[in-house]
Amino acid sequence: QKEVEQDPGPLSVPEGAIVSLNCTYSNSAFQYFMWYRQYSRKGPELLMYTYSSGNKEDGRFTAQVDKSSKYISLFIRDSQPSDSATYLCAMILYNQGGKLIFGQGTELSVKP
Amino acid sequence: DTAVSQTPKYLVTQMGNDKSIKCEQNLGHDTMYWYKQDSKKFLKIMFSYNNKELIINETVPNRFSPKSPDKAHLNLHINSLELGDSAVYFCASSQGVSPDLANYGYTFGSGTRLTVV
Repeated sequence: QKEVEQDPGPLSVPEGAIVSLNCTYSNSAFQYFMWYRQYSRKGPELLMYTYSSGNKEDGRFTAQVDKSSKYISLFIRDSQPSDSATYLCAMILYNQGGKLIFGQGTELSVKP
Repeated sequence: DTAVSQTPKYLVTQMGNDKSIKCEQNLGHDTMYWYKQDSKKFLKIMFSYNNKELIINETVPNRFSPKSPDKAHLNLHINSLELGDSAVYFCASSQGVSPDLANYGYTFGSGTRLTVV
């Protein structure tokens, strides 16, 4: 079993839809949670991070963490074709040399 | 100005060859990483250097040897290439390895697409 599980999709939605992306994890010692966005043939770029249970909002994006359920989510409101990318969740343990553990990534396509 | 640059972007080579990938960052970061992304987009850490010192060495065949001549450069040399080495290799950097990492995250390069034939 992978430490971080993420449905690879693909997920296809119409423009303007609300998108929900999710990851589950098995190691309760994970302390920091991030979402990365990766466009085709590019490197991942940090979208959002959080370290506590609850919600964090940034524009059209909301990151949600439920540590009791070991479940994190990323919501995208009013999705745009430019949001079409692969979204990767990532987690980090404190004092592990900066090692990020990634989910497999969910491929999202937003159709005009 | 590219923050983390990798060369080459594409590499096609035959089995058994030896090849190198180079990475340079101009962010002043003190930690650099190599990640491998397989065909299913799964991204896994291989190595990490902090101020030229190896701090993470995952279970990677010893045909892979990283070298960090200074904290702005991290190279990856691969001996006796195999078909299974075909993947995209990403270099990344960060400032330290503390919880600030979560705040600023890594900065990734654009990747080197390695195809072994």
